[in-house]
Amino acid sequence: GIQVEQSPPDLILQEGANSTLRCNFSDSVNNLQWFHQNPWGQLINLFYIPSGTKQNGRLSATTVATERYSLLYISSSQTTDSGVYFCAATSGTYKYIFGTGTRLKVLA
Amino acid sequence: DAGVIQSPRHEVTEMGQEVTLRCKPISGHNSLFWYRQTMMRGLELLIYFNNNVPIDDSGMPEDRFSAKMPNASFSTLKIQPSEPRDSAVYFCASGLGNQPQHFGDGTRLSIL
Repeated sequence: GIQVEQSPPDLILQEGANSTLRCNFSDSVNNLQWFHQNPWGQLINLFYIPSGTKQNGRLSATTVATERYSLLYISSSQTTDSGVYFCAATSGTYKYIFGTGTRLKVLA
Repeated sequence: DAGVIQSPRHEVTEMGQEVTLRCKPISGHNSLFWYRQTMMRGLELLIYFNNNVPIDDSGMPEDRFSAKMPNASFSTLKIQPSEPRDSAVYFCASGLGNQPQHFGDGTRLSIL
């Protein structure tokens, strides 16, 4: 089945810095989502992005399906951005495979 | 709009006891998923329902686990008998067609 790899595994930023998180997948995908798991454990949808580019405030995401990767950009990071960022992809319609996540800590 | 509602938020019980986790999906969603999150295995799909029918239960770890969806607004995940290795965070998520999945806040389960 499809494999999803995320990098880097851990990231520490100073508040205000920018960062790029990467998600590689081993096969063509129909759907891809980015999630943020906050320190309270809640999983929050960030983007549903099987291809193309989307932006939502300080966050944006780009998926290049032909090259099998997706990027999540965080600009002007804030302490509330801390948590774990997951990429999840499916080559079908529902069975998402989750990556192991990027653990982000933003320092004040 | 209310999101996916899970109960209880936390459950601590002794090995051998029956555990029942509950989920109310977002109204109008026709897909429901149960996931388990552990440090060792990350997030794993346990079972997927579509229009209240179990479509894929290949992720259910063993016969001690069972899930039901008696109607469009309610699902349960049951573990009987529970074991310490079942300790994890269990998430329910719902969706509609190809739209993104929305997760509940999870149930943190500890089996002593």
